[in-house]
Amino acid sequence: DQQVKQNSPSLSVQEGRISILNCDYTNSMFDYFLWYKKYPAEGPTFLISISSIKDKNEDGRFTVFLNKSAKHLSLHIVPSQPGDSAVYFCAVITNAGGTSYGKLTFGQGTILTVHP
Amino acid sequence: NAGVTQTPKFRILKIGQSMTLQCTQDMNHNYMYWYRQDPGMGLKLIYYSVGAGITDKGEVPNGYNVSRSTTEDFPLRLELAAPSQTSVYFCASSYSTGSYNEQFFGPGTRLTVL
Repeated sequence: DQQVKQNSPSLSVQEGRISILNCDYTNSMFDYFLWYKKYPAEGPTFLISISSIKDKNEDGRFTVFLNKSAKHLSLHIVPSQPGDSAVYFCAVITNAGGTSYGKLTFGQGTILTVHP
Repeated sequence: NAGVTQTPKFRILKIGQSMTLQCTQDMNHNYMYWYRQDPGMGLKLIYYSVGAGITDKGEVPNGYNVSRSTTEDFPLRLELAAPSQTSVYFCASSYSTGSYNEQFFGPGTRLTVL
């Protein structure tokens, strides 16, 4: 039973255009949502997060949108750059800061390729 | 700071062999985690620790053991390696201040069991 799904295994975008990565979840009790980025042969690195009490969070070129009624999370990268080419994982957490002890549940990942 | 370091980077084991994956962090984080990532899949939590001497199971703990004798180290033990344990293993750490805090990941250990 997959609680977090990234239905697009890959996405190809031209440099300068917008990249939109999507994530769906099943449990309405999740209260924190995150995006991690992973380059080959490296560990994931934190990119951006959003609390369930918000619907948008922005950090430079990266914006995360949360649609709680649809249980849908998306990451927008504008403008996309070749260095953004990586695997992007969405992750969720229940009771952040409480008894979940920071445990993350990850989606399968989406491979983003940004062409020059 | 070196952050989270993992050794070895690569390892090939035969079925039934045992090994310990090492993980060390120098950020004085109290929370530490072990994840595995299978091809085309997301990371799955094996074990976690909220402080020295305290560990608990994650989503996929079978076939693994952990210990946490110091704040810095969180080794993962495979006692009887099986082909199903072929995966990339990531260690992570974070501090807790009552709200969510970012997890910092090591570079991973790629393990193949033949």
